[in-house]
Amino acid sequence: EPEVTQTPSHQVTQMGQEVILRCVPISNHLYFYWYRQILGQKVEFLVSFYNNEISEKSEIFDDQFSVERPDGSNFTLKIRSTKLEDSAMYFCASSATSSYNEQFFGPGTRLTVL
Amino acid sequence: KNEVEQSPQNLTAQEGEFITINCSYSVGISALHWLQQHPGGGIVSLFMLSSGKKKHGRLIATINIQEKHSSLHITASHPRDSAVYICAVLFMNYGGSQGNLIFGKGTKLSVKP
Repeated sequence: EPEVTQTPSHQVTQMGQEVILRCVPISNHLYFYWYRQILGQKVEFLVSFYNNEISEKSEIFDDQFSVERPDGSNFTLKIRSTKLEDSAMYFCASSATSSYNEQFFGPGTRLTVL
Repeated sequence: KNEVEQSPQNLTAQEGEFITINCSYSVGISALHWLQQHPGGGIVSLFMLSSGKKKHGRLIATINIQEKHSSLHITASHPRDSAVYICAVLFMNYGGSQGNLIFGKGTKLSVKP
């Protein structure tokens, strides 16, 4: 069964460093999403991406964040200069044609900023 | 303000019990998702519904659009059902954009053998 994959599963970085979180969405899906979940809190929407551009973004998704689909399979989230409060679980998801379709989630990347 | 409320926050049940988890939301929606989050953190989509009722195995999800309320039921619960169950809502967006999912805080279910 096709699934969304994410790498790495755990990333530890120093404050101020850049990190790139990688996702491989399900191959025939067109919409991609990033969410984050700070430990003990609810999941929050960061950004959605369609047709090689951002479709929606939340207030959390400020200038420190960027997304890219560098090739036909990967979807990346870059945090330019990490802060302690960026420590969270980051989930990638994809859906077939729009956010009105079921979303399939990856296993998540746990980001720890020291 | 678009809000999603879940109840209860925590739920402990004995194996075999019938379980109900509730989700209510503030304004009109396009779709509602029920998700399961395992202790390791991974999220699995259980249902997406915009009306009526859906069933998959021992899981049943219902939604009442007029009352702005959805329930997730688990019949004959089992310890492997222990997880956090999350309601996530796609609110109706009249501005032309698709909107995005708003998540509830989740219900932590523990099923004892």
